[in-house]
Amino acid sequence: DAKTTQPTSMDCAEGRAANLPCNHSTISGNEYVYWYRQIHSQGPQYIIHGLKNNETNEMASLIITEDRKSSTLILPHATLRDTAVYYCIVCPPDNYGQNFVFGPGTRLSVLP
Amino acid sequence: DTGVSQNPRHKITKRGQNVTFRCDPISEHNRLYWYRQTLGQGPEFLTYFQNEAQLEKSRLLSDRFSAERPKGSFSTLEIQRTEQGDSAMYLCASSSWTGGSKNIQYFGAGTRLSVL
Repeated sequence: DAKTTQPTSMDCAEGRAANLPCNHSTISGNEYVYWYRQIHSQGPQYIIHGLKNNETNEMASLIITEDRKSSTLILPHATLRDTAVYYCIVCPPDNYGQNFVFGPGTRLSVLP
Repeated sequence: DTGVSQNPRHKITKRGQNVTFRCDPISEHNRLYWYRQTLGQGPEFLTYFQNEAQLEKSRLLSDRFSAERPKGSFSTLEIQRTEQGDSAMYLCASSSWTGGSKNIQYFGAGTRLSVL
């Protein structure tokens, strides 16, 4: 079973920041938080991952709370192409298969 | 870097038939993973290889399913005596694992199986 809980769906206006929350209250000390997204009819796509510090790359920012029990993925300026299902996954550093568990994710709809 | 390639993209078969899917990972990637995804759900892990060795199998992988990666490059997933419940998207991913924290999986577009 997934170790994370995410809202089923969210809407965001085009051009605004999309903030996607994830709860992982049972995360272990060595487990990383990964985010992937899946656009319709495509395979999942890696976005970002982190351990305890905030992370930023060209796609998004990841904010992890100090107690590491939750995190937020931020898409700073959402576009229509960001409409997708977003998955939050917690996993140890060498993400062996059965530890890399996708839940149902959050369906983000970016609205014009 | 041409990405992970899966063939065929779509497969329709009759119940009881055998099917085989192929996955070509990103060149030089030593790990290869198979997942299954049904409508409205996230991908479910089936099995993974490191080079040619199959290191882990999910309990979802019944004895009708077999996967191989004979030379540590491409992989095949075979389903024998297909059942309607096998209808799903089968996803393949690969990664370059050299230790450390980063083991990003790159996914193919999947093979959609419909069992009639």
